[in-house]
Amino acid sequence: EAGVTQFPSHSVIEKGQTVTLRCDPISGHDNLYWYRRVMGKEIKFLLHFVKESKQDESGMPNNRFLAERTGGTYSTLKVQPAELEDSGVYFCASSPEVGSPLHFGNGTRLTVT
Amino acid sequence: QKEVEQNSGPLSVPEGAIASLNCTYSDRVSQSFFWYRQYSGKSPELIMSIYSNGDKEDGRFTAQLNKASQYVSLLIRDSQPSDSATYLCAVMRNSNYQLIWGAGTKLIIKP
Repeated sequence: EAGVTQFPSHSVIEKGQTVTLRCDPISGHDNLYWYRRVMGKEIKFLLHFVKESKQDESGMPNNRFLAERTGGTYSTLKVQPAELEDSGVYFCASSPEVGSPLHFGNGTRLTVT
Repeated sequence: QKEVEQNSGPLSVPEGAIASLNCTYSDRVSQSFFWYRQYSGKSPELIMSIYSNGDKEDGRFTAQLNKASQYVSLLIRDSQPSDSATYLCAVMRNSNYQLIWGAGTKLIIKP
């Protein structure tokens, strides 16, 4: 069984530019989550999809962040325009059922300069 | 007060000894608790999940939960150098199934 895959693994962009992160969950997992860890801080929840629907997006920091999951398969997280404080590691995770343990991807390390 | 607290460490344990990692949480109604291991530059990897008071054993790992004290721990027996990593405690909120994370404890197993 292929795990959660994320692309790219690293991204370095300048302030004001746009970046799109992609996540492919484990096949058959309806639940897809985005989490973020900024330097020196705990991992923080961003949002949760159930299939193609946003179940909970209370963790999204502001309207510069847009997540989509068209067709209920892979998901993208776009940051536009990027700011310095957006730097961190963005993790995607999936699970077969709500409340079951999450399986994480390797993350995308985003650096905004 | 943070919702999930862990000692950041580093915790240094000799090879072959028992490593004891601790976590406290503030949400009294939480029901689901997880321990993840994270190697540097890698993703969090699920080690144990625990939902009921008491001990849960899986190989060299034992998770312990005490809901009255709002305390969850992870014991690693016969510690190996490959166990050296950051161990993250995560608590799932009942209301919205969000995982609330501790900052992690860095564990170093000395050969």
